[in-house]
Amino acid sequence: AQSVTQLDSQVPVFEEAPVELRCNYSSSVSVYLFWYVQYPNQGLQLLLKYLSGSTLVKGINGFEAEFNKSQTSFHLRKPSVHISDTAEYFCAVSEGSSNTGKLIFGQGTTLQVKP
Amino acid sequence: DAGVIQSPRHEVTEMGQEVTLRCKPISGHNSLFWYRQTMMRGLELLIYFNNNVPIDDSGMPEDRFSAKMPNASFSTLKIQPSEPRDSAVYFCASSLGMGPQGEAFFGQGTRLTVV
Repeated sequence: AQSVTQLDSQVPVFEEAPVELRCNYSSSVSVYLFWYVQYPNQGLQLLLKYLSGSTLVKGINGFEAEFNKSQTSFHLRKPSVHISDTAEYFCAVSEGSSNTGKLIFGQGTTLQVKP
Repeated sequence: DAGVIQSPRHEVTEMGQEVTLRCKPISGHNSLFWYRQTMMRGLELLIYFNNNVPIDDSGMPEDRFSAKMPNASFSTLKIQPSEPRDSAVYFCASSLGMGPQGEAFFGQGTRLTVV
């Protein structure tokens, strides 16, 4: 069975500082990996996804993530955060072989950007 | 397109009452997903449809929950009878195709409170 672990429930950071949100997954088969962002009282919005190819994936709003198969990780990074990045971030995994589109989400990480 | 539209945005109901949540997917999308979000359990996939047919309902918590998709532009999630533990935010998402190549677009959610 697949699972996703987001290692930090909350990450406080000052504006313009770099940030990394950690995500580890568990799966016995190949996977697709995603990061979604949820702003207050909003639905989820796709930030970026890894399907295949280059392990460094760039997304919207200056975010990027690196797929590390040996460490089963897909950490999200941004070199300089803004107040507007304050939100909840979800890592998700989809089984590569089943092609179902079914996503398994982590518990989420709240990014709190302070002025 | 207006995106995935869910109604109502907020619902407060008494225990034992029937609750119906509604979703209009993005026009042209052929996969539809219902998720539930709680503090304790995070985001859980309840059921998903492809071409109006339920593919996997293993996430539906119990028989009190049912979902239908009578046509490509409308889906409902019904809880009967409702219980306080059903209080959560329910999200609907749609995508083009079942595979992860089709990005899942989320609605803004319905916040359900059962008292």
